[in-house]
Amino acid sequence: DIVLTQSPALAVSLGQRATISCRASQSVSISRYNLMHWYQQKPGQQPKLLIYRASNLASGIPARFSGSGSGTDFTLTINPVQADDIATYYCQQSRESPTFGGGTKLELK
Amino acid sequence: QVQLQQSGAELVKPGSSVKMSCKASGYTFTSYYIYWIKQRPGQGLEWIGRIGPGSGDTNYNEKFKGKATFTVDKSSSTAYMQLSSLTPEDTAVYYCARFHTMAHRGFDYWGQGVMVTVSS
Repeated sequence: DIVLTQSPALAVSLGQRATISCRASQSVSISRYNLMHWYQQKPGQQPKLLIYRASNLASGIPARFSGSGSGTDFTLTINPVQADDIATYYCQQSRESPTFGGGTKLELK
Repeated sequence: QVQLQQSGAELVKPGSSVKMSCKASGYTFTSYYIYWIKQRPGQGLEWIGRIGPGSGDTNYNEKFKGKATFTVDKSSSTAYMQLSSLTPEDTAVYYCARFHTMAHRGFDYWGQGVMVTVSS
């Protein structure tokens, strides 16, 4: 299985930039496709897709969310962070059978 | 609009089985795999497996072989997951989510989840 590693938590101030990283144990890219996706989950809710294929904004997601990366290293950026963005963020790869990162809890500084 | 509507919460006894449903609407049911995903309280997300609604083909995470069984009713656009020989380790929220069969666009719609509590 491809293991995805995320930092457990990140503290950020409102209005600042948050950068959440995800590292894969092997490449999740095929040709020009980077098969990494990002989700937001708030307590008591199902996950919500934010970014697909590393850098594509999902439908209805605000432009302050963006994604980048290729191969084994990926980043989700939120700029500027708003109060509604306080949540846990997961990366997920679909290069092989899907696996998720352990999640990064975004907290207020 | 696309919806995945899951059945209600379950309280079940150890050793028993439970069957939950995921009713899809607002899209072509056979164009998307239905995945089942487990989330234990306060924990992360874990893939259980998937079913292709058109073909009925299934793939299971090795960890859940013998534990989970997927079926589908195309006539009602509903996917089902049965969990057997339940233990307290099976206490979790179980989500269904769709994934396009031809494009890697992530799990773009999720059900609201079914909370399964295994307790005597």
